[in-house]
Amino acid sequence: KAGVTQTPRYLIKTRGQQVTLSCSPISGHRSVSWYQQTPGQGLQFLFEYFSETQRNKGNFPGRFSGRQFSNSRSEMNVSTLELGDSALYLCASSPTGVLYGYTFGSGTRLTVV
Amino acid sequence: DQQVKQNSPSLSVQEGRISILNCDYTNSMFDYFLWYKKYPAEGPTFLISISSIKDKNEDGRFTVFLNKSAKHLSLHIVPSQPGDSAVYFCAASSNNAGNMLTFGGGTRLMVKP
Repeated sequence: KAGVTQTPRYLIKTRGQQVTLSCSPISGHRSVSWYQQTPGQGLQFLFEYFSETQRNKGNFPGRFSGRQFSNSRSEMNVSTLELGDSALYLCASSPTGVLYGYTFGSGTRLTVV
Repeated sequence: DQQVKQNSPSLSVQEGRISILNCDYTNSMFDYFLWYKKYPAEGPTFLISISSIKDKNEDGRFTVFLNKSAKHLSLHIVPSQPGDSAVYFCAASSNNAGNMLTFGGGTRLMVKP
């Protein structure tokens, strides 16, 4: 059974640019969540999509957005990149119910220069 | 305001002994608690969870204890093995928050052979 796939694994962007990250969840999982991990702030919730609808949103500026497609694949977009957006972006999928735990992908390491 | 705290950034234990990782939370609305393990360059891996209606849950070498009155949970690993060396995160969620998890800052566990 394939795991959660995130592409690309590494990305270097220039301040002011925009970036799109992709996540393919485990087959059958309808919930996809995104997290940002930084050394200073730890793992912080960005948003969750369930059946193509954003169900929850964390405390991030509007430059961070996402969407989910009918096949449950999800993308997140960050516009007008800032140096502080450099982080590991993790995607996680779940069939239903947080008690079953997410399955995380290996993440996309974004560096903004 | 950190709602989930892991006050020990690191813990060193001898192989075969017990590892006890601690976590405190402030939000009394949290219903579910989970532990994740993370190796470098990989996404976090779900270990074990507990609902607020229970005070203990076991899975093999891993046991999670929940003390609701103290807003405290702990993860016990017995016996500890060198392969357990990783960063451990506790996380919490509330019933009305979908799959949104609030993570602690993590504890690095080192199990010495």
